[in-house]
Amino acid sequence: QSALTQPASVSGSPGQSITVSCTGTNSDIGIYKYVSWYQHHPDKAPKLLIYEVNNRPSGVSNRFSGSKSGNTASLTISGLQADDEADYYCSSYTSSHTVAFGTGTKVTVL
Amino acid sequence: EVQLVESGGGLVQPGGSLRLSCAASGFTFSRYSMNWVRQAPGKGLEWISYTSSSSTATYYADSVKGRLTISRDNAKDSLYLQMNSLRAEDTAVYYCAREGGDRAGYGMDVWGQGTTVTVSS
Repeated sequence: QSALTQPASVSGSPGQSITVSCTGTNSDIGIYKYVSWYQHHPDKAPKLLIYEVNNRPSGVSNRFSGSKSGNTASLTISGLQADDEADYYCSSYTSSHTVAFGTGTKVTVL
Repeated sequence: EVQLVESGGGLVQPGGSLRLSCAASGFTFSRYSMNWVRQAPGKGLEWISYTSSSSTATYYADSVKGRLTISRDNAKDSLYLQMNSLRAEDTAVYYCAREGGDRAGYGMDVWGQGTTVTVSS
């Protein structure tokens, strides 16, 4: 079971938009709509931001949006804010009946 | 308030055993699938196990298969992780997480604060 591939870091200035990519294979992202995104601040519990590729749970800001094309999923954060500085992880259901997380991306607000 | 609270972590020697618990409150536990996820020091999140609402389906990551066992007691609103033959690489913060839908990978919408397991002699 391999982790999905994410960039180690992405940065942006307040108010800008950034995109975090998540690359999998045709055994996970490529064939399932079960792609999720999580925000993880240090020493806190991870928080679900996006489920089923592009759906937001109740209470999650509409500044967070998700998409998928082929084997790659993406998370876009618009109107970047200081509190968005955190680690972000994608995940996908796999054909082995497991869940694969991404390698994680540290988002820095300049 | 919807809440998950893990317990049972601690220091254990290599080859030893530990049982983690996760107490659920604020929702109908028996209706939800559950997961265990861990994060080793300085590393990313790693999914390790899933159980369906009625325990009819359980899945494991290859890294823990045969050593860790997930179980639940719906009468006690509790999830468990029996950890045997522990290795140094099992050192991590262990989270229990509720699956928001009716299948693995749907999206884990409620997480506990985590319990720390350290495997060391």
